[in-house]
Amino acid sequence: DAKTTQPPSMDCAEGRAANLPCNHSTISGNEYVYWYRQIHSQGPQYIIHGLKNNETNEMASLIITEDRKSSTLILPHATLRDTAVYYCIVRVQGGSEKLVFGKGMKLTVNP
Amino acid sequence: DAGITQSPRYKITETGRQVTLMCHQTWSHSYMFWYRQDLGHGLRLIYYSAAADITDKGEVPDGYVVSRSKTENFPLTLESATRSQTSVYFCASSDSGRRALTPQHFGDGTRLSIL
Repeated sequence: DAKTTQPPSMDCAEGRAANLPCNHSTISGNEYVYWYRQIHSQGPQYIIHGLKNNETNEMASLIITEDRKSSTLILPHATLRDTAVYYCIVRVQGGSEKLVFGKGMKLTVNP
Repeated sequence: DAGITQSPRYKITETGRQVTLMCHQTWSHSYMFWYRQDLGHGLRLIYYSAAADITDKGEVPDGYVVSRSKTENFPLTLESATRSQTSVYFCASSDSGRRALTPQHFGDGTRLSIL
C-alpha cells in the first residue's frame, strides 16, 4: 500500500470548517483513500472513503485532486467532539484487507 | 444490538501468565483483525483472519496466538505475557466485496497491563 503524509497537528475553531490535508503522491490507480479518526481512548472510527470522485456522507466530505496525489477531508461545521487523531490511509482494491495506520494528524477544535 | 465487543475492557496480569482477550462481532463479517496501540507506534496489526479457520500474521505477531473456530469470535491469546505486551488492544471486523472495499469497524479496546 502507498504511504501517506499528514501534518502532525491542526487547530480549528468550533463551528468553522476543518480542512484536513493528506498527500499520497505514489498512489496507484486502483488504490482507494480512506479516512478514520480516533477519539481519545476509543477505537478508530471509519469516516469516509473514495477512489477519484468527491464523496460526501453525514460525517464529512472527501475531495480528491484530479491527479489523485492528494486529498482533503472536510468537516463542514467542526464541534468540540471532532477533536481526535485523523488517519488518512490508502488501500488497494482486491488486495489485502489490512489497514496500515500511520501517525495521523491531531485535530483540536477550540471553543 | 449489533456490533463488535471486546472483553475484558481492562486487565492486569503478571509476566509469564497466559491471558486471552475476547472479540465478538454480530455482523457476520468475514474478516477480523487484532491491533495493538502503543505510544510512538500508532496502531500495528498483530493477526488477522479472512474466515473461520483461516488466520494470518500481521506486522507484530510474535508472542501471540489466535484462533477462529466460529465466524463471530476471534480470541487473542498471550501464551506467556511479557511487560513489552502492555498495550491497548483493538479488535476490528470488516466484510469483503469484490467491487469495493468495506470499512473496518473497531471495538472499544482492551487495556492490558503486565506487571
